[in-house]
Amino acid sequence: SYVLTQPPSVSVAPGQTARITCGGDNIGSKNVHWYQQKPGQAPVLVISYDSDRPSGIPERFSGSNSGNTATLTISRVEAGDEADYYCQVWDSSRDLNWVFGGGTKLTVL
Amino acid sequence: QVQLVQSGAEVKKPGASVKVSCKASGYTFTSHYIYWVRQAPGQGLEWMGIMYPSGGSTRYAQNLQGRVTMTRDTSTSTVYMQLSSLRSDDTAVYYCARQMGAEESPFDYWGQGTLVTVSS
Repeated sequence: SYVLTQPPSVSVAPGQTARITCGGDNIGSKNVHWYQQKPGQAPVLVISYDSDRPSGIPERFSGSNSGNTATLTISRVEAGDEADYYCQVWDSSRDLNWVFGGGTKLTVL
Repeated sequence: QVQLVQSGAEVKKPGASVKVSCKASGYTFTSHYIYWVRQAPGQGLEWMGIMYPSGGSTRYAQNLQGRVTMTRDTSTSTVYMQLSSLRSDDTAVYYCARQMGAEESPFDYWGQGTLVTVSS
C-alpha cells in the first residue's frame, strides 16, 4: 500500500518560515491535502489540491508538490500555528483508500 | 453553517460493540459523502470507511472489514458507525468528516470527535 512519510517534528522561531514535508513515491502525480490539528480538537483543512487555500486560512499557509515530496510552508510563523500537521492523498493504485502521513508536530520556539 | 455533531464518549468492555452517531446540518445531507476516521491516543489519523448518504452504500478499510458497519437515517440526516468485537487497540477518538466533493477531494468539515475507551 502507499506510504506517506513525514518528519515527526519541526521547530521554528516566531516570525520564521516552517517547512513540513510529506514524502511518497511519485507523490507529485497525486493531489495532496494538508490538515492542522491542535490538541483536543478535530483536524482542520489548511491546504487542498497541493496548494489551494480554503476560505479563512491565512495567506501565510502555502503548499507545493513535485517529484517525491510535497511541502507545506508556513511563513511568519506565530505561536498559534503550533499543532500537528497531516498530509493526505487518495491512493487508487490497488484498494481505493485514503492515506494519511504520520503527522508532524510543529513547535514554535 | 455546516455542522457535524457527534454523540458522546463511550466506555466499553472488550468484545462489546459501540455505535457512534454523526448528525449533519447546514447542507443537503445526500450531496456529500461522509467518512469515518479514528485516532488512537498519541497516534495519527486512520481512515475507516465511507458512507454514501444518497443511496446508503458503504465501503470499508480492509483492516476493519467484518467488524465495522456504517448506516444512515436520511430523515434525521444522521450517519452511524458501529464497531463490533471491540479490542483494547480500538480505544481512540472517532471522527466523522464530510468530503468536499468528488472522489479525491478533501474533508472540509469534521465532527468534534467521540472518545471510545475499551477497557475491562
